[in-house]
Amino acid sequence: ETGVTQTPRHLVMGMTNKKSLKCEQHLGHNAMYWYKQSAKKPLELMFVYSLEERVENNSVPSRFSPECPNSSHLFLHLHTLQPEDSALYLCASSPTSSSGNTIYFGEGSWLTVV
Amino acid sequence: AQKVTQAQTEISVVEKEDVTLDCVYETRDTTYYLFWYKQPPSGELVFLIRRNSFDEQNEISGRYSWNFQKSTSSFNFTITASQVVDSAVYFCALSEATYSSASKIIFGSGTRLSIRP
Repeated sequence: ETGVTQTPRHLVMGMTNKKSLKCEQHLGHNAMYWYKQSAKKPLELMFVYSLEERVENNSVPSRFSPECPNSSHLFLHLHTLQPEDSALYLCASSPTSSSGNTIYFGEGSWLTVV
Repeated sequence: AQKVTQAQTEISVVEKEDVTLDCVYETRDTTYYLFWYKQPPSGELVFLIRRNSFDEQNEISGRYSWNFQKSTSSFNFTITASQVVDSAVYFCALSEATYSSASKIIFGSGTRLSIRP
């Protein structure tokens, strides 16, 4: 079992659908992250949660809505997405106990918006 | 502002050749951390190494080695005797020193490495 698991691994949704991506970490970490990776673009940090509190929101459109109910789980709720939102969405986690903590990634959720 | 530059977009070599992936970074912090990650076709970013700014010793792990030079703001990654399984996208990353908080890691644009049999 990997330390950070994401479901579903693949998702196809219409522009009017509502869906959610789920992330669970088994590493005892206190920080969780959502990154977006589009073709030929650098990794984009979307949201950061530390101790279940959102500490960063990088100008992400409101059609993406994160939720962190506890330090082990992170969701990304999706509604009325656009085709350009098709990408690989990566969840990650890290400890907060020291400086420059390494973040550990899940396998990602491949999202296609049609 | 912090920045990570990986000038090599794609590299292709024949198996068993040595290959070096370049990484140049910019930061005004005196304390910072550098990382390398590997992304195989499956998508997951796999952590390879973390190095803090006060430790300039080169590191070797099997066929992998890293050369950190503060004077040139570089943190290059060399694979010796490359294998087909090394084919992946490799990301260099930089993090400021954050204490008791979430990490703020900035990634380079990645280098796609293809190893031909």
